[in-house]
Amino acid sequence: AQSVTQPDIHITVSEGASLELRCNYSYGATPYLFWYVQSPGQGLQLLLKYFSGDTLVQGIKGFEAEFKRSQSSFNLRKPSVHWSDAAEYFCAVGAVSNFGNEKLTFGTGTRLTIIP
Amino acid sequence: NAGVTQTPKFQVLKTGQSMTLQCAQDMNHNSMYWYRQDPGMGLRLIYYSASEGTTDKGEVPNGYNVSRLNKREFSLRLESAAPSQTSVYFCASSEGQGFLDTQYFGPGTRLTVL
Repeated sequence: AQSVTQPDIHITVSEGASLELRCNYSYGATPYLFWYVQSPGQGLQLLLKYFSGDTLVQGIKGFEAEFKRSQSSFNLRKPSVHWSDAAEYFCAVGAVSNFGNEKLTFGTGTRLTIIP
Repeated sequence: NAGVTQTPKFQVLKTGQSMTLQCAQDMNHNSMYWYRQDPGMGLRLIYYSASEGTTDKGEVPNGYNVSRLNKREFSLRLESAAPSQTSVYFCASSEGQGFLDTQYFGPGTRLTVL
């Protein structure tokens, strides 16, 4: 069974600084990886996803993520954060079983606070 | 374009009461989902519907029932609410019939069971 770990519960970053949110997964085959963002009082919105190909994935709102198979990681990055990036970020891993059944597992989330 | 809408936004129930959470999407999506979000546990899938007329259990279905009323609407019913069902409930939809398709989420319903 697949699993995903987000080691940082809460991160605080100054506006304009760079950001990296960590995500580690456990899965025997090539995973399907996602980052979702949840702004306060809102539902989740897809930032980006990786299925195959180029391991550096560009997403919306200036975010990118890099798939590193050797480290079982899919970290989310942004070169310069804006106050509007304050939100909760969820990594998710998808898998397809031998029976063709798909499953999507979400991490526990990282809350991002931006300080002026 | 409303996307995914959920009603109500907030609800307080007493133990043993019943209620139905409503969800509707206007994107002509095939699949719809119900999740619950609890502190420190991420999102967990309760039920899903891959197409109109079908429903399947997710990770935590006990204590819940669902109805895919038509392609637009997918409701979640708590027949006898318990304090353990205090949570934030999210409905989502996707165009395709698989979990790996991009999911679009509603704003959530915050439910408290006393």
